[in-house]
Amino acid sequence: QQQVKQSPQSLIVQKGGISIINCAYENTAFDYFPWYQQFPGKGPALLIAIRPDVSEKKEGRFTISFNKSAKQFSLHIMDSQPGDSATYFCAASKGKLVFGTGTRLLVSP
Amino acid sequence: NAGVTQTPKFQVLKTGQSMTLQCAQDMNHNSMYWYRQDPGMGLRLIYYSASEGTTDKGEVPNGYNVSRLNKREFSLRLESAAPSQTSVYFCASLFTGGNNEQFFGPGTRLTVL
Repeated sequence: QQQVKQSPQSLIVQKGGISIINCAYENTAFDYFPWYQQFPGKGPALLIAIRPDVSEKKEGRFTISFNKSAKQFSLHIMDSQPGDSATYFCAASKGKLVFGTGTRLLVSP
Repeated sequence: NAGVTQTPKFQVLKTGQSMTLQCAQDMNHNSMYWYRQDPGMGLRLIYYSASEGTTDKGEVPNGYNVSRLNKREFSLRLESAAPSQTSVYFCASLFTGGNNEQFFGPGTRLTVL
C-alpha cells in the first residue's frame, strides 16, 4: 500500500527553467512533509520541509506548495541549475517517515 | 563530527550467508532507523529504535534483525541472506524533540548472489 504517491518518475529541465515535482498522500494524520535530495552514491539529505498549517514555504530557489484539502504537495525549483541534478524524494510523517518513490531530475546545461 | 557512518560500503554475499551492517552516529540522537532503497520503490523502513534499549518493526522487517547496542550504534543483521535482499541499505538518526530532520549515512550496497 503506497501511502505517498510521487510523480513524475523522471524529469528533464533546461538550465534556468522551473522543475516541479508532485506528491499526494492518503493519511490525514501526517503532520510533517519533507523533501529529500539524493546525489548518486550518497545518502538522502533534507532539502526543505513543511507542516500542514501553512500553504507555502520558500527557501532560496526551493518552494513547497501544500494543499491540505487536496492532500497534495509539490516542490518547485526555480532557476534550475545543473547542480540540482539529483533524485528527489517527498515524504510524509506521523512519527515515522513514509517516502515517495522518487523523481530523477536532470537539468541540462 | 562524522555524522552517521556505515560499514561496509559494499558487500557481496552468497545465498544463505549471514552478515551484520554497522551504523554509528556521533550527534547524540535518540532515534535511529534502517531503510532499504530499491529502484522505483523509494526508501522503505525496515526497523527503527526510538531510544536506547527499544526496537520496533517497520514496513519490511522480514529476514532482518536489529540491535541497538548503545545510544550511538544500531546494527542490522541478515541471518540467511536471500537474493531479494539485494539493495542499498541506509541508516539514519534523529534527535527526538528537534525539527524532525533525519540524518542519513552514506549507505551500504549489498548484493546477494
